[in-house]
Amino acid sequence: QQKVQQSPESLTVSEGAMASLNCTFSDRSSDNFRWYRQHSGKGLEVLVSIFSDGEKEEGSFTAHLNRASLHVFLHIREPQPSDSALYLCAVSSLYQGGRALIFGTGTTVSVSP
Amino acid sequence: NAGVIQTPRHKVTGKGQEATLWCEPISGHSAVFWYRQTIVQGLEFLTYFRNQAPIDDSGMPKERFSAQMPNQSHSTLKIQSTQPQDSAVYLCASSTSGTGQLYFGEGSKLTVL
Repeated sequence: QQKVQQSPESLTVSEGAMASLNCTFSDRSSDNFRWYRQHSGKGLEVLVSIFSDGEKEEGSFTAHLNRASLHVFLHIREPQPSDSALYLCAVSSLYQGGRALIFGTGTTVSVSP
Repeated sequence: NAGVIQTPRHKVTGKGQEATLWCEPISGHSAVFWYRQTIVQGLEFLTYFRNQAPIDDSGMPKERFSAQMPNQSHSTLKIQSTQPQDSAVYLCASSTSGTGQLYFGEGSKLTVL
C-alpha cells in the first residue's frame, strides 16, 4: 500500500527566501503527483501537478520529481506571509484505474515578514 | 462555478448519535471522493465513487460508516453511533474522472461530545 511521508513537519522562512519541502513515496509505479495547500479552516487548493521526472513550474511553485529516488519536492520562490499554510503532497498510480490520491501528513509553512 | 459544496460546515453530536454529511460535487464531475482529516492522522482516504458507483472503499472503517451517491448531484457520508474518535474534518472532492485533478470542498467539521 502506498505510503507518503513529508518533511520537515514545520518550516519557518523569511519573506522572499526560498522554501523547500520534501515528499517521499513508496510505490515505484506511481506516476501522478500533486501538491496542495490548505489555509487554516479552508479547503485544499491545488498548486502544481507533475506526471514525469523533472520539473514543473506553476507561478511561484516548482515541483521536482525523481521517481528513482522516490522523491518529489516543492520549492516556493519568494514566499509571502499569505503563503503561510499547510502544504500537502498527494500521490497516486494512474494505471490502477483512477485510484484515489494518498496524502502525506503535511508541512506547516510559516512565512515571517 | 460554485465549487464543491459541503453541508453542514459544522456539526456537533452526542456520543451514540447518527451524523450525516452531504456533498454536492462540481456539475459535470463524474468522480466523488471522501477524506477525513485529523491533526494526528492527517488526510485519510475513505472512499470514492465514479459515475455514482462505488469504486474503492478501502479507507472506510468497517463498522458504522457508510457512503452513498444516489444521483450525480450529491453524495452522503453517514456515521452511525458516533464516537469521540470520529471527530474530524470530513472533506469531499470531485474530479472530471477518477484520475483528474481533485477539487475539494471546505469540509464538514464533526465534533462528537
